[in-house]
Amino acid sequence: SQQGEEDPQALSIQEGENATMNCSYKTSINNLQWYRQNSGRGLVHLILIRSNEREKHSGRLRVTLDTSKKSSSLLITASRAADTASYFCATDAGETSGSRLTFGEGTQLTVNP
Amino acid sequence: NAGVTQTPKFRVLKTGQSMTLLCAQDMNHEYMYWYRQDPGMGLRLIHYSVGEGTTAKGEVPDGYNVSRLKKQNFLLGLESAAPSQTSVYFCASRLAGGPNEQYFGPGTRLTVT
Repeated sequence: SQQGEEDPQALSIQEGENATMNCSYKTSINNLQWYRQNSGRGLVHLILIRSNEREKHSGRLRVTLDTSKKSSSLLITASRAADTASYFCATDAGETSGSRLTFGEGTQLTVNP
Repeated sequence: NAGVTQTPKFRVLKTGQSMTLLCAQDMNHEYMYWYRQDPGMGLRLIHYSVGEGTTAKGEVPDGYNVSRLKKQNFLLGLESAAPSQTSVYFCASRLAGGPNEQYFGPGTRLTVT
């Protein structure tokens, strides 16, 4: 079964608004990663947060991690039409598991111009 | 650098036929992965490899075989294709050691009729 569950499944906003996506997972992790997938393309890595970190920023992206609740959120500020894509969280259990990633089912974000 | 490349991009098979999907990376990554993505779902791990000559099963390995004879290549084989294997297949690679992101190929869209 999938490790991560993402919420919402779909999100539609206007350009300039903020978009927040949530991810929950079930087992202990080494780190959690967020990926973006444009329609018909491969996944592109956005940001990684380690299990001992609580918040991380990269440009317009802000990710939080709460290991006690086994949850993470991705915030995209001042969204643009070009941010339209599917966003996936993925948990990494560490090197002893071959650094396998377990993906959530994704959030489809649509940013309307 | 070309990054991660996949061959072919599209393929249609009849039930019972066999084929091999090729993944190549030029980043000298130790770890390589094969995933499948079905509509509305995240990626599920089929097989992975932590080094040349080694492979291991992922979440959904049945019906697939893999080989890693060279560090830069990871092959995924379907010996007797079934309609349930209709999917988009993604290859990924990453460096060993530390929390690192995976780099994805563009995908192979496979239809089994």
